[in-house]
Amino acid sequence: DSGVTQTPKHLITATGQRVTLRCSPRSGDLSVYWYQQSLDQGLQFLIQYYNGEERAKGNILERFSAQQFPDLHSELNLSSLELGDSALYFCASSATGTGTYEQYFGPGTRLTVT
Amino acid sequence: DAKTTQPNSMESNEEEPVHLPCNHSTISGTDYIHWYRQLPSQGPEYVIHGLTSNVNNRMASLAIAEDRKSSTLILHRATLRDAAVYYCILYSGGGADGLTFGKGTHLIIQP
Repeated sequence: DSGVTQTPKHLITATGQRVTLRCSPRSGDLSVYWYQQSLDQGLQFLIQYYNGEERAKGNILERFSAQQFPDLHSELNLSSLELGDSALYFCASSATGTGTYEQYFGPGTRLTVT
Repeated sequence: DAKTTQPNSMESNEEEPVHLPCNHSTISGTDYIHWYRQLPSQGPEYVIHGLTSNVNNRMASLAIAEDRKSSTLILHRATLRDAAVYYCILYSGGGADGLTFGKGTHLIIQP
């Protein structure tokens, strides 16, 4: 158990809909990362937050957004969903936001868009 | 981003040591060498990381070449549970960014 929790575990929705994925980091970790894993693209970094502020953006689509709240949990919002958004979404946390520290990953949310 | 090169797959026997190589000839001075693994149907799992010196922890050892252009992850006594995809990743010590995962090495453990 990494200490990172993600809800829900599975999500099935239709094209055009909007969903919210939730992540609670390990106790004491200030940085949260979101990753997407699909069969054709592999594991890709989407976005990083550090202590409530956006710190880095990766391959995140404009239809996707995220935020980190004062209690440090984070939410990833996916809107106008397309079939190609079906994937595993992982959240990770680390003590800071640099390579000095390791990242701990949650179990993931499996999103299926039909 | 600095790139890493790993073999697509490796095979080993249970209870034997495993040496997983990684080449990173364009590594910069601030890049840490991180290793993660992903077991089937699970999220990535941190294994070990280092900067210049060799590192040991309860899971594995990391041997870093003197010129830092290559490294080796060592599993001292492989078990069936170690069958996974292993990713070698360069991660900047100061920059804000996420991990860049390549295709990794698919480690197969034979009983």
